[in-house]
Amino acid sequence: GAGVSQSPSNKVTEKGKDVELRCDPISGHTALYWYRQSLGQGLEFLIYFQGNSAPDKSGLPSDRFSAERTGGSVSTLTIQRTQQEDSAVYLCASSPQGLAGGSEQFFGPGTRLTVL
Amino acid sequence: AQKVTQAQTEISVVEKEDVTLDCVYETRDTTYYLFWYKQPPSGELVFLIRRNSFDEQNEISGRYSWNFQKSTSSFNFTITASQVVDSAVYFCALSRNNAGNMLTFGGGTRLMVKP
Repeated sequence: GAGVSQSPSNKVTEKGKDVELRCDPISGHTALYWYRQSLGQGLEFLIYFQGNSAPDKSGLPSDRFSAERTGGSVSTLTIQRTQQEDSAVYLCASSPQGLAGGSEQFFGPGTRLTVL
Repeated sequence: AQKVTQAQTEISVVEKEDVTLDCVYETRDTTYYLFWYKQPPSGELVFLIRRNSFDEQNEISGRYSWNFQKSTSSFNFTITASQVVDSAVYFCALSRNNAGNMLTFGGGTRLMVKP
């Protein structure tokens, strides 16, 4: 079956502009995660969605970052007023269930964001 | 707070050599999960293994084996008879036993296998 897909694969933007990154999780997966991979910070958790519950935003680095998940499926990560330090690869992952139990997370190919 | 340390940032071996990637973790939880992921040059993270904190049995899958030792908080990964296709960045990760299971990753080890 289809894996996690993300779009765009690459995004170049100018400092101060807003960007939207999209994630299509594996069909039927109730849990969805966003992570960021950068040279300075490594791989870090950003936000988690489980079904219709309120998301866990504890990893978002600033209030310029937000995300939503519509209909329990597709998710969009929005970064407002981008800064050069936002340059990174943004990875989306989904899991059959994000409840306690250490379920495997399936990762997408990522979106490489470059802020000039 | 949880932490995962992969002290080896880069390892270079010649094909057919055995190589061990180290992973040391810190957590105050008694129940937790440990993972290894592979990130080939294509960039997509590929799941390799998951262990829970109550299962210290070593595991072997083909040329891959994992050694979990709670006494030293380590979860090391060994590739036997390495191949060029094993070249990738390998990440060790830890999750709590709670809703979300968000992963805390180590810094990764870049493995280069030369022919």
